[in-house]
Amino acid sequence: EDQVTQSPEALRLQEGESSSLNCSYTVSGLRGLFWYRQDPGKGPEFLFTLYSAGEEKEKERLKATLTKKESFLHITAPKPEDSATYLCAVLLSYNTDKLIFGTGTRLQVFP
Amino acid sequence: DGGITQSPKYLFRKEGQNVTLSCEQNLNHDAMYWYRQDPGQGLRLIYYSQIVNDFQKGDIAEGYSVSREKKESFPLTVTSAQKNPTAFYLCASSGLPGQFFGPGTRLTVL
Repeated sequence: EDQVTQSPEALRLQEGESSSLNCSYTVSGLRGLFWYRQDPGKGPEFLFTLYSAGEEKEKERLKATLTKKESFLHITAPKPEDSATYLCAVLLSYNTDKLIFGTGTRLQVFP
Repeated sequence: DGGITQSPKYLFRKEGQNVTLSCEQNLNHDAMYWYRQDPGQGLRLIYYSQIVNDFQKGDIAEGYSVSREKKESFPLTVTSAQKNPTAFYLCASSGLPGQFFGPGTRLTVL
């Protein structure tokens, strides 16, 4: 069964304390991996798409990386405004329209 | 200003009622999707449409119906057959580099 698992479920960081969020997947074929940010009561905001192992994407304090079994979202020197739930999702190669989502990591950054 | 709009933001439904959630996009995307989000669960796909006048069931289609008469619009009807409709509903459309989401509709059954 295709599955996406995110860890940890929740993460509390001090402002400036760098860390990483994990998204591991077991799927029959990966076409792409997506990262989103979601604020409470709002729709997910697109961050990155990664297509192949070894690929990296960066945006401000965020950097996403991809291996054959997992993806990491590295947060460097986070600020309180980075507090949100971060979702990852996998696009399957045999079904070009279906995303499988993880349950998310809830990040809180304290000043 | 391109994007996806959903209305209403909040919706209350009485037992036995059908309600329709609106989703409109001006991104010129062919594919559109409806997801349901519940606390502690990942987003689950209800229906999707790759082209006008065609749509497919997702993982949890029972109790829901959709139509796709225009490229820009993909309304979702939550019928009385849906046993547990209270949730946050998200509409999305697909175009490079990924799927993009609307702001969501929170549906509550009274």
